[in-house]
Amino acid sequence: AQKVTQAQTEISVVEKEDVTLDCVYETRDTTYYLFWYKQPPSGELVFLIRRNSFDEQNEISGRYSWNFQKSTSSFNFTITASQVVDSAVYFCALSEGDRDDKIIFGKGTRLHILP
Amino acid sequence: DAGVIQSPRHEVTEMGQEVTLRCKPISGHNSLFWYRQTMMRGLELLIYFNNNVPIDDSGMPEDRFSAKMPNASFSTLKIQPSEPRDSAVYFCASSYDRSQETQYFGPGTRLLVL
Repeated sequence: AQKVTQAQTEISVVEKEDVTLDCVYETRDTTYYLFWYKQPPSGELVFLIRRNSFDEQNEISGRYSWNFQKSTSSFNFTITASQVVDSAVYFCALSEGDRDDKIIFGKGTRLHILP
Repeated sequence: DAGVIQSPRHEVTEMGQEVTLRCKPISGHNSLFWYRQTMMRGLELLIYFNNNVPIDDSGMPEDRFSAKMPNASFSTLKIQPSEPRDSAVYFCASSYDRSQETQYFGPGTRLLVL
């Protein structure tokens, strides 16, 4: 069975600090997809990144970066030089590739960026 | 592109009433998903459709919930009769194909059942 664990329920950091959100997943498939979504206080779910299991290259997009490590089944998300606008709930999600299977979301990490 | 459109954005109703939530997916997307989000249970997949056909409805809580997708551009989620424990935010999402592709979410419908 597939599973996504975001062990950090809530994190608070001061603006301009770097922060890493952890995501650990479980799957028996060799083909799978990992996602991160952001849910700001306004409530919508905003897609951030999709990564397939065959691409372990780290990704950087502005202040955001993602570290995918199959050896530890982790797909961590780092925000560099955090800003107040980064305050949101961040969800990691997993979908297995070969079946009409569900996408499973983690419980989310609530990130507070303090001014 | 307008994105996924959901209506209404807010709904307040009394226990026992019928509630219908509506969703218009992104044009060209052939998979549509209904989710429910609560503080206690997080984000739960209720049902998803591929090419208008329900593929997995195992997340639908009980017979009071039903979903339809009569065509590629419209879906409804109906609760009849509604109960206070159905109070949640209901999201619709669509993707190009199945759950492996990126899902794009609508703004959600915030439902309060009194």
